[in-house]
Amino acid sequence: GESVGLHLPTLSVQEGDNSIINCAYSNSASDYFIWYKQESGKGPQFIIDIRSNMDKRQGQRVTVLLNKTVKHLSLQIAATQPGDSAVYFCAENINSGNTPLVFGKGTRLSVIA
Amino acid sequence: NAGVTQTPKFRILKIGQSMTLQCTQDMNHNYMYWYRQDPGMGLKLIYYSVGAGITDKGEVPNGYNVSRSTTEDFPLRLELAAPSQTSVYFCASSRQGNNQPQHFGDGTRLSIL
Repeated sequence: GESVGLHLPTLSVQEGDNSIINCAYSNSASDYFIWYKQESGKGPQFIIDIRSNMDKRQGQRVTVLLNKTVKHLSLQIAATQPGDSAVYFCAENINSGNTPLVFGKGTRLSVIA
Repeated sequence: NAGVTQTPKFRILKIGQSMTLQCTQDMNHNYMYWYRQDPGMGLKLIYYSVGAGITDKGEVPNGYNVSRSTTEDFPLRLELAAPSQTSVYFCASSRQGNNQPQHFGDGTRLSIL
């Protein structure tokens, strides 16, 4: 089966609130993780990445947290805006040669105005 | 930079017809990928390439062929279109090496009738 999965397929959040999107992975050899945002009718867009030697990384309004002990990855979006409505995918990579990324199924984030 | 460009954006094929989905990138990325995304689902890897002249099968290669004669271009060919190949196809590219984010095109929406 897939080694990357998500706890929640859909998430509804009030505008202005913080959003947390979760992702579980099963391969302890994975050492690189990415979050992508996909808006309707468009391709996935890179948001933020994190390497396994870190447990937290911040970007503009986004934070990725990595818990290697429980193989859990999360994306936090601060002050969620209507433009954040999209499907969010996590992806993992095993640093063992030319291994492509493995993508999870995605979580749909709906922002309620 | 235009990034990753896919053509056409939409196409309707009859069962048994053939076509080539075009993908080109202007970022001088060595690695290129083809994915398909079925409605409400994640990305499934069809084929990938780590450089000109080199291609490898992904998770769902059956019914597809690829070639990589130049760094910039990575066309995907359907020889005998089947209804099961109705999907959205995404091309992506990345720099050489692991732990590099993939950059996606906006997709080709293909319907087989």
